[in-house]
Amino acid sequence: DSGVTQTPKHLITATGQRVTLRCSPRSGDLSVYWYQQSLDQGLQFLIHYYNGEERAKGNILERFSAQQFPDLHSELNLSSLELGDSALYFCASSKLGLASDTQYFGPGTRLTVL
Amino acid sequence: GNSVTQMEGPVTLSEEAFLTINCTYTATGYPSLFWYVQYPGEGLQLLLKATKADDKGSNKGFEATYRKETTSFHLEKGSVQVSDSAVYFCALRPLTGGGNKLTFGTGTQLKVEL
Repeated sequence: DSGVTQTPKHLITATGQRVTLRCSPRSGDLSVYWYQQSLDQGLQFLIHYYNGEERAKGNILERFSAQQFPDLHSELNLSSLELGDSALYFCASSKLGLASDTQYFGPGTRLTVL
Repeated sequence: GNSVTQMEGPVTLSEEAFLTINCTYTATGYPSLFWYVQYPGEGLQLLLKATKADDKGSNKGFEATYRKETTSFHLEKGSVQVSDSAVYFCALRPLTGGGNKLTFGTGTQLKVEL
């Protein structure tokens, strides 16, 4: 158990809908990262937050947004969902967000868009 | 840009066989290198890491050596067990630039049979 929690574990929804994925980092970690794992794109970095501020963006679609709250949990919002958004979404956390930090991954949320 | 290339899977071995999963990378400077493992239905777990050239990461009988001259970080284990069946991901994180995002290879599925 990495100490990173993600809810829900599974999510099934329809095209055009909006969903929110939630992540709680390990105790004491200030950085949260979001990754998407899909069959065609593999594991891709989406976005990094450190202590409530956005630090880096990867291949994140404009339909997707994220935030990190004062209690350090993070939410990834996915809107106008398309079939191709079906994937496993991972959250990871690290102590500070330095290059030397180890990122610990949560169990993931499996999103299925029908 | 940064990239990681892993050998295609699946790799099927008999129990107690020797394992090598090849990983090569392209990056500017001296990235940190990682192996993550994903067991069926679970999230990613950090298996081992190396942060500078000639470092050897090791854990649970697995090891990998950071080879700067060949830009490689091959994963090895002397005697695999059925419980090692999983997908193995090689990843890099640049020391400077690119944020703290991890860039992953496509993953190599390992199947160990009795």
